[in-house]
Amino acid sequence: DTGVSQNPRHKITKRGQNVTFRCDPISEHNRLYWYRQTLGQGPEFLTYFQNEAQLEKSRLLSDRFSAERPKGSFSTLEIQRTEQGDSAMYLCASSSSNRGPIQPQHFGDGTRLSIL
Amino acid sequence: AQKITQTQPGMFVQEKEAVTLDCTYDTSDQSYGLFWYKQPSSGEMIFLIYQGSYDEQNATEGRYSLNFQKARKSANLVISASQLGDSAMYFCAMRESEGQGFSFIFGKGTRLLVKP
Repeated sequence: DTGVSQNPRHKITKRGQNVTFRCDPISEHNRLYWYRQTLGQGPEFLTYFQNEAQLEKSRLLSDRFSAERPKGSFSTLEIQRTEQGDSAMYLCASSSSNRGPIQPQHFGDGTRLSIL
Repeated sequence: AQKITQTQPGMFVQEKEAVTLDCTYDTSDQSYGLFWYKQPSSGEMIFLIYQGSYDEQNATEGRYSLNFQKARKSANLVISASQLGDSAMYFCAMRESEGQGFSFIFGKGTRLLVKP
C-alpha cells in the first residue's frame, strides 16, 4: 500500500492556460474522488468515479473542468481556460466499496494550483 | 442550511489533557456515515475515525473516540491525552448514501493547538 499519489505537487500557470493533474489511487481501491480546497475551508467535493464510470459530479464542476478514469485505475483532472478563482489545492482520494457502501477515503497530498 | 457545522474555529488544549471538538450535522437520510479527518500544516488529509448511522456503540480508535448522539445529530471527536503532534486542522465530514449517488460534505474545520 503506497498510498494515493498526486502529480504534480505544485502547478503555477497563467490565466487562460489549460492544466492537467494526475491521481494514482491505492491499487485495490475502486472508488476515486476529486476535491477542491481553498485556504481556511474544508474540501469541496467535485466528482466521483467507481471503476471507470463517473457516477457523480458536483454543481461546482463547471464545463471547464473534466475528469477521466479511462481504465479504472489512475485519473486525470483537466481545467481549461484557467481563471484566478481556480487557484486552490486539488485533492484526490480513494476508497474501496468491497467492505460496504460507506468507507473512509484515503487522501493524496494534493496538487496546489496557482493562477498568475 | 449547512450540512456539517463545526462551531469552533480554533481550540487550545494543554498537553496530556483531553479535548472535544464539536460537530453537528443535518440529514434526512437514515443511512449515513460520519468521519473525522486531521490535516496537519503539511497539508495531507489523514483519516481518524468513522461512525455509521446504525452503529449503536461509539467508535474508538486509539486516543480518538467519537461521541455520537444521533437524536441531537452530533458527532463530537474526543482526543484523549493530547500530544504536541495533535496540533492541526480537524474536519468533520458526512457521507449520505443515496443509491448510486451520494454527497460527501466537509465542515469548515477546527484548528487545534496543543500547548506544552
